[in-house]
Amino acid sequence: DGGITQSPKYLFRKEGQNVTLSCEQNLNHDAMYWYRQDPGQGLRLIYYSQIVNDFQKGDIAEGYSVSREKKESFPLTVTSAQKNPTAFYLCASSIRASSYEQFFGPGTRLTVL
Amino acid sequence: AQSVTQPDIHITVSEGASLELRCNYSYGATPYLFWYVQSPGQGLQLLLKYFSGDTLVQGIKGFEAEFKRSQSSFNLRKPSVHWSDAAEYFCAVGPSSGTYKYIFGTGTRLKVLA
Repeated sequence: DGGITQSPKYLFRKEGQNVTLSCEQNLNHDAMYWYRQDPGQGLRLIYYSQIVNDFQKGDIAEGYSVSREKKESFPLTVTSAQKNPTAFYLCASSIRASSYEQFFGPGTRLTVL
Repeated sequence: AQSVTQPDIHITVSEGASLELRCNYSYGATPYLFWYVQSPGQGLQLLLKYFSGDTLVQGIKGFEAEFKRSQSSFNLRKPSVHWSDAAEYFCAVGPSSGTYKYIFGTGTRLKVLA
């Protein structure tokens, strides 16, 4: 079955540690996105990538980094510079950046202790 | 600036009752509009989308939405709610040309009473 996988589903880290969230898709989509979700704030865009080896900052990129070395993979690193990293993180993809709908993964809940 | 407003944070309805979730948008051109549903701890699932044409669009799970340009609205409706519809619902607009960003509303949490 085609889809988007995110791992792990739950992640716990100590304050000051970097952590990498995985996102893989087998939909052959060009574009991929990372969102952060906090209660009452909807989804906020962290980074997006239109094609391999290219990515752009979203609205809340500070304290995060990404890479897009393969079409199917778009990992997100939450660095120690992110002041409040505890949140639910969602990865999404679309056929291309100008495409009309996004498909979402199941999400990763990150808790920083 | 582009924006999406969902004025109702929480809505409670009885099972079998009708439902309408409100969504208002601010967008410079003809928008592409979406409704997504999210169960607790899960990703978002697309319910329906509007690109152009007929302003009444049908989606999955018996949902429909109507695009009203004059009111800048895209309200989601369902004639008879089932207990399994309890979830959070997000309205979204996009992608905007150039930035390729989607703008999401803050969501409406639906509770269904048995």
